[in-house]
Amino acid sequence: GQQLNQSPQSMFIQEGEDVSMNCTSSSIFNTWLWYKQEPGEGPVLLIALYKAGELTSNGRLTAQFGITRKDSFLNISASIPSDVGIYFCAGRPTLRQGAQKLVFGQGTRLTINP
Amino acid sequence: DADVTQTPRNRITKTGKRIMLECSQTKGHDRMYWYRQDPGLGLRLIYYSFDVKDINKGEISDGYSVSRQAQAKFSLSLESAIPNQTALYFCATSDFRGRGIATQYFGPGTRLLVL
Repeated sequence: GQQLNQSPQSMFIQEGEDVSMNCTSSSIFNTWLWYKQEPGEGPVLLIALYKAGELTSNGRLTAQFGITRKDSFLNISASIPSDVGIYFCAGRPTLRQGAQKLVFGQGTRLTINP
Repeated sequence: DADVTQTPRNRITKTGKRIMLECSQTKGHDRMYWYRQDPGLGLRLIYYSFDVKDINKGEISDGYSVSRQAQAKFSLSLESAIPNQTALYFCATSDFRGRGIATQYFGPGTRLLVL
């Protein structure tokens, strides 16, 4: 089945640093989503991207839908302790490849040293 | 109140037992999903339902069954639990309209341990 390659798998940073993570695929996606999961909770939607080249911000978070439609990145600026968690990318395939379902990346675990 | 609720939040059971995980939503969405999460593997789709009469298998449906009792309720059953079904289980919902098709909203999860 389709897969998303999310990297890095984990990050250990100092408070105040900027963070960057990305997802790539060999297939084209129509939608890219970024979720954050905190311990004991379900994933929470951060940003949704609907067309190639789209750049969207949500506070200190910025995400982009790659021009090739095969990748997306998420940046977090000036990290703070509450940014700790696991970040997942998810993509919605094109119609031919099963557009009714999402494909998830394996997650990036973010740890912040105060 | 949470839009997507799951019960129980934690469950310990023994091999061979039948258990049911329940999901309810107040978002008014037609589409509901069950996922399994294992460390390092992300979220994998077990079953999904686009309305009460529509049930579809996901990528890892073996050993599981589901029931869509109403638009707002979607249950996941393990007919005969086995230890490798120990995992975190999430229910999710999405709207069928326009861009809402892709955006899924998750419940808080059920942590299942099969001994």
